[in-house]
Amino acid sequence: NAGVTQTPKFHILKIGQSMTLQCTQDMNHNYMYWYRQDPGMGLKLIYYSVGAGITDKGEVPNGYNVSRSTTEDFPLRLELAAPSQTSVYFCASSWDRGLAEAFFGQGTRLTVV
Amino acid sequence: QQQVKQSPQSLIVQKGGIPIINCAYENTAFDYFPWYQQFPGKGPALLIAIRPDVSEKKEGRFTISFNKSAKQFSLHIMDSQPGDSATYFCAAARNDMRFGAGTRLTVKP
Repeated sequence: NAGVTQTPKFHILKIGQSMTLQCTQDMNHNYMYWYRQDPGMGLKLIYYSVGAGITDKGEVPNGYNVSRSTTEDFPLRLELAAPSQTSVYFCASSWDRGLAEAFFGQGTRLTVV
Repeated sequence: QQQVKQSPQSLIVQKGGIPIINCAYENTAFDYFPWYQQFPGKGPALLIAIRPDVSEKKEGRFTISFNKSAKQFSLHIMDSQPGDSATYFCAAARNDMRFGAGTRLTVKP
């Protein structure tokens, strides 16, 4: 049982480039989340989804986009990357709206230079 | 604006000690309060969680104390071990989950 899988694990991006962070889960969870983790700042919610076709903004959505075409996949798109987007990104999923255990992926460490 | 405030930022205790990590929240709509444990290079994993209708919950060596009127909750780790050294995050949830800034715990042998 793979759980939540994120790819890539590491990436270096140049300023102004775009990329997509992939996230897939095999637990048939309706709820999926993207967080970024910066030192001393905890995890900040970027976007979340309550089901296929439905997404909503979190605390820090600027500079990011998401889509949810299937239950399993929730990719995060970075457009025109900036150094401020250097962070560790975590995808998570849960079976209920923030009221159940959220299962996290291993994270993607992204550096924008 | 941090919706969940966590303290301290870091904590060092001796083996067998009882580290206590505190969190406070503002939004009374939150109705689920989990604690997550994160080891270096890994994603956070659920440790223990509580709902506001109880004041305390124990699971093994981990206890959550919850004070609804003060909008505060805390994590106590009994008989702490070096293997408990990790970063601990409190969170509060309603439709989504908001996290505190984290506490880096070091348990010295």
